[in-house]
Amino acid sequence: RKEVEQDPGPFNVPEGATVAFNCTYSNSASQSFFWYRQDCRKEPKLLMSVYSSGNEDGRFTAQLNRASQYISLLIRDSKLSDSATYLCAVNLNTGGFKTIFGAGTRLFVKA
Amino acid sequence: NAGVTQTPKFQVLKTGQSMTLQCAQDMNHNSMYWYRQDPGMGLRLIYYSASEGTTDKGEVPNGYNVSRLNKREFSLRLESAAPSQTSVYFCASNDVGARKSYGYTFGSGTRLTVV
Repeated sequence: RKEVEQDPGPFNVPEGATVAFNCTYSNSASQSFFWYRQDCRKEPKLLMSVYSSGNEDGRFTAQLNRASQYISLLIRDSKLSDSATYLCAVNLNTGGFKTIFGAGTRLFVKA
Repeated sequence: NAGVTQTPKFQVLKTGQSMTLQCAQDMNHNSMYWYRQDPGMGLRLIYYSASEGTTDKGEVPNGYNVSRLNKREFSLRLESAAPSQTSVYFCASNDVGARKSYGYTFGSGTRLTVV
């Protein structure tokens, strides 16, 4: 089993839709969780950090479920500009230096 | 505010050639990292430097060496390039607290092709 797993998608949604991605992790000792956005041929950019149960930033909400070992990202009112690959990342905090990334979920938002 | 600067952006090497990828950050972060990204594999950690003067192996260190030149700079060297090292390389930096790790700031990447 991979340490961090994501559904690769693609998710194809119309503008204005709500879409959710899940990311599962295998190490129950993980402490810090992140969602990054990566545009085609660009570097990943930090979207949200999650340290407790969840985090919200505008149209984006991240939720952490420690019991089931997954984090989710919810995007409300999708925009064309939300089209990208979304990477989940998990850090053990033991020394804090090894962040494991999922392979990413591709999202296409269409007019 | 430049953030993390990587050079070069593109490089083509012949098998057996060597090269050094340069990375510098201006955010006063203690920790720096080198990742490679391959299709379907996600980002994999090559080496990291927790602080100035220290370096450690990540998940895929074979064929690479690193140098933490100072707090700002962290270079990655390929001594004898192989086609399996064709990839996109990202440098990143962050701060790590006592109880949590902060998100990374990535450089814009180096697209390396080994023929």
